Amino acid sequence: DIQMTQSPSSLSASVGDRVTITCRASQSIDNYLNWYQQKPGRAPKLLIYTASSLESGVPSRFSGSGSGTDFTLSISSLQHEDFATYYCQQSHSTPFTFGPGTKVDIK
Amino acid sequence: QVQLVESGGGLVKPGGSLRLSCAASGFNFRDYYMSWIRQTPGKGLEWVSYISSSGHAIYYADSVKGRFTVSRDNSNNSLYLQMNSLRAEDTAVYYCARDKRLFCRNGFCYGSLFDDWGQGTLVTVSS
Repeated sequence: DIQMTQSPSSLSASVGDRVTITCRASQSIDNYLNWYQQKPGRAPKLLIYTASSLESGVPSRFSGSGSGTDFTLSISSLQHEDFATYYCQQSHSTPFTFGPGTKVDIK
Repeated sequence: QVQLVESGGGLVKPGGSLRLSCAASGFNFRDYYMSWIRQTPGKGLEWVSYISSSGHAIYYADSVKGRFTVSRDNSNNSLYLQMNSLRAEDTAVYYCARDKRLFCRNGFCYGSLFDDWGQGTLVTVSS
């Protein structure tokens, strides 16, 4: 199975900050990497697919990059509604696996 | 708009069975793969199973293989997960998700992304 790791596991930031989250796969997954946002009590929401494609309706302050084993999710200017937990997920091969999550909270 | 509504969760004893349902609306259900994904506080998000649009291709996580069965009824826009021989470690919130595929080749579709999710249904396995 492909293992996914994320760093940091949590971070504190202020509104307006630029935030970067890293995701690493245990083997190359090309660009088959998706990012999700989850708020408490809600289902995850797709933000980015194939590493860098922005899902329809997602604000342009979100961006993704990377290929192979190393990926990043960036939020250019953090807004109140962005405080949440973020997960990466590989879709290169089954079983599809998720990272453990990065919780972004208010400093 | 896309709507996915799970039902069937509840409290069940170890070794027991439960059948989850997911009612889909707002899109052409028969055109999409579908997946079940579960979430626990301890293990995070875990993909459980997917089923192709026709139902001919099915995959399971090793943790549920041989105990869970996924199925779908395209005439009723419904997805199911039959869960047998339940264990304490199956306790989780179970989500159904639309499993969008980016491209298809030789009858199989690749590039999975979960672009819509239900609200989840809680399954608790405890004596």
